[in-house]
Amino acid sequence: GQNIDQPTEMTATEGAIVQINCTYQTSGFNGLFWYQQHAGEAPTFLSYNVLDGLEEKGRFSSFLSRSKGYSYLLLKELQMKDSASYLCAALPGDYKLSFGAGTTVTVRA
Amino acid sequence: ETGVTQTPRHLVMGMTNKKSLKCEQHLGHNAMYWYKQSAKKPLELMFVYSLEERVENNSVPSRFSPECPNSSHLFLHLHTLQPEDSALYLCASSQVLAVERYEQYFGPGTRLTVT
Repeated sequence: GQNIDQPTEMTATEGAIVQINCTYQTSGFNGLFWYQQHAGEAPTFLSYNVLDGLEEKGRFSSFLSRSKGYSYLLLKELQMKDSASYLCAALPGDYKLSFGAGTTVTVRA
Repeated sequence: ETGVTQTPRHLVMGMTNKKSLKCEQHLGHNAMYWYKQSAKKPLELMFVYSLEERVENNSVPSRFSPECPNSSHLFLHLHTLQPEDSALYLCASSQVLAVERYEQYFGPGTRLTVT
């Protein structure tokens, strides 16, 4: 089976930076996704990495190292609305997206 | 607002009931998925319909039965469920054969409680 690991919880202050790490072990690899899920809502797509390196999208950036089986999501200039669960998901060789348990980020004033 | 809708949003059912969850996508995608989300656990893929073909997760109990009458609609038929089946059931869709844009779009989910 596939194995996706990410921390359970993180807390940061408004305006700060938080980095959510994710490690994965999959049979084959076709990319790494990050989703944001607010409580009681559907997950929404944040980013997709398939090549090594950093992808930047405004306040959010995602990094991938295929050789290390490692990714991170970087949230900058944190806002209260960023409090949510962040899901790391790897796309293995069979194209069945495999999710981590999610990291709950709490932003404090 | 996403292009994937689910009904009902909340459902309470007894263990002997039969009910169905409905999902509809308005994005022109050709793959649809059912996921189960339990507290503090990863999303569990239950079923996939891709290009009219069903790919089934063998660990899903037979009391869950999917139906995909066309590429826009997906159902999950439920019967004789157990209390441990209480969870959020999420539907998603995507466009396969386009790996670089493989992201899945999720519906708001159905919160199911089995009493």
